[in-house]
Amino acid sequence: GDSVTQMEGPVTLSEEAFLTINCTYTATGYPSLFWYVQYPGEGLQLLLKATKADDKGSNKGFEATYRKETTSFHLEKGSVQVSDSAVYFCALSEEDMRFGAGTRLTVKP
Amino acid sequence: NAGVTQTPKFQVLKTGQSMTLQCAQDMNHEYMSWYRQDPGMGLRLIHYSVGAGITDQGEVPNGYNVSRSTTEDFPLRLLSAAPSQTSVYFCASRRDDRVASPLHFGNGTRLTVT
Repeated sequence: GDSVTQMEGPVTLSEEAFLTINCTYTATGYPSLFWYVQYPGEGLQLLLKATKADDKGSNKGFEATYRKETTSFHLEKGSVQVSDSAVYFCALSEEDMRFGAGTRLTVKP
Repeated sequence: NAGVTQTPKFQVLKTGQSMTLQCAQDMNHEYMSWYRQDPGMGLRLIHYSVGAGITDQGEVPNGYNVSRSTTEDFPLRLLSAAPSQTSVYFCASRRDDRVASPLHFGNGTRLTVT
């Protein structure tokens, strides 16, 4: 069945560092791909999405490109801030939405 | 605009007790779903509904029941709580069942079963 694998955390970075969180997927068809972010005590919020191969989703300085050839959707940000500290989830949607295990990011000043 | 509202925020149950987790959305979304979040396992789909009167099982449905009598409400029932059901539960909705529609989440219910 469909599944998502994302890099294990936690990830700790200094402010202004470059961020990459790896995400790969397994799907039978042509899923849509998503990144969600979860702040403490809250539900998940959509960060960005891509619906077909080679699409790039972007929001708040974060980017991810839908790579069908490598079945990947890695999340990147050029310069992280303390306020980016959260848990990030990669997800795919085909028949229903499947989530990765989540990666906790802590950004230190 | 309230979005997706879940009640209660916290609940403690004893083994064998029953309870209902409430979920309501005011966005006129057709699709609603319930997930549980456990450490290291991400979110797993319990049940979902593509419209009023229609429900289906997700990945981990055992021990849970749902119904969808209105578009707005999608309650989750635990018939006989077990410690393995200790988790954080999230209700989510989206406009329709097309794969490109993102989910909108409530703030969760933290359930402890002793």
